[in-house]
Amino acid sequence: DGGITQSPKYLFRKEGQNVTLSCEQNLNHDAMYWYRQDPGQGLRLIYYSQIVNDFQKGDIAEGYSVSREKKESFPLTVTSAQKNPTAFYLCASSTIPPWGAAGELFFGEGSRLTVL
Amino acid sequence: QKEVEQDPGPLSVPEGAIVSLNCTYSNSAFQYFMWYRQYSRKGPELLMYTYSSGNKEDGRFTAQVDKSSKYISLFIRDSQPSDSATYLCAMIPYNQGGKLIFGQGTELSVKP
Repeated sequence: DGGITQSPKYLFRKEGQNVTLSCEQNLNHDAMYWYRQDPGQGLRLIYYSQIVNDFQKGDIAEGYSVSREKKESFPLTVTSAQKNPTAFYLCASSTIPPWGAAGELFFGEGSRLTVL
Repeated sequence: QKEVEQDPGPLSVPEGAIVSLNCTYSNSAFQYFMWYRQYSRKGPELLMYTYSSGNKEDGRFTAQVDKSSKYISLFIRDSQPSDSATYLCAMIPYNQGGKLIFGQGTELSVKP
C-alpha cells in the first residue's frame, strides 16, 4: 500500500539532546513537508522540499534541520536549540504542482516528541 | 492576527444534528480552500476542496466559500458519532504552490 511512514510514533528526549524523526514515502511525490501541531494552534510549517537536495524554511524553522538526499526520504532533526520541542510532528507529501488535486497533502500518522 | 482564524471548540452535538464549522481569513490572495479531518492521534486527511465561491456538496458534507466576506464553512448533515474528529480548514495563496496555511482546527464530538 502506498503511503507515508513516520517513525518513531513516540519519542522521549532529555533536554540538550538532538533527535531525528524519520519520514519515508512510497507515493512517488516530489514535495515533502514537516508540520508541527500544538493544541489550539493548528499545523505550522517547519520545512518543505520540492526536489531532492533542495529545501526551504517554513514559518517556524528555528531549532530544526532537514535533509533531502533521496526522493522518498525527508528526515527532521530537532536540535537542542529548539526551545519548546514537545509537540506532535507530522510529515506530508504532495505532487508538484498540486493544482490537479488542489493542494492535497498526504500525511503520515505523526510522531509525538516529549522532552523530559 | 492570524491569517486564518478558526474556533477551536470543542463542539458537542447530538447524533443527527446539522453541524456548521467556519473559518475566516484575511489574505485575499487565497485561491484554494480545503477541509481536512483528523481523527485522534492520526494524521489529517483531505475531506473536501474548492477554489471558487459557492457551494460544493459531497454526500453529507457541503463546503461553502464566500470570497467577498473571506469566510468559508463546512456543513455536516445527519451527523454521526464517526464524524467525531478535529476539522481543519486550509488555504493556499495563488502564488505559493503547495504551501498550505491551516486554521487552528475545531474539535467536534457527536454524541449517540
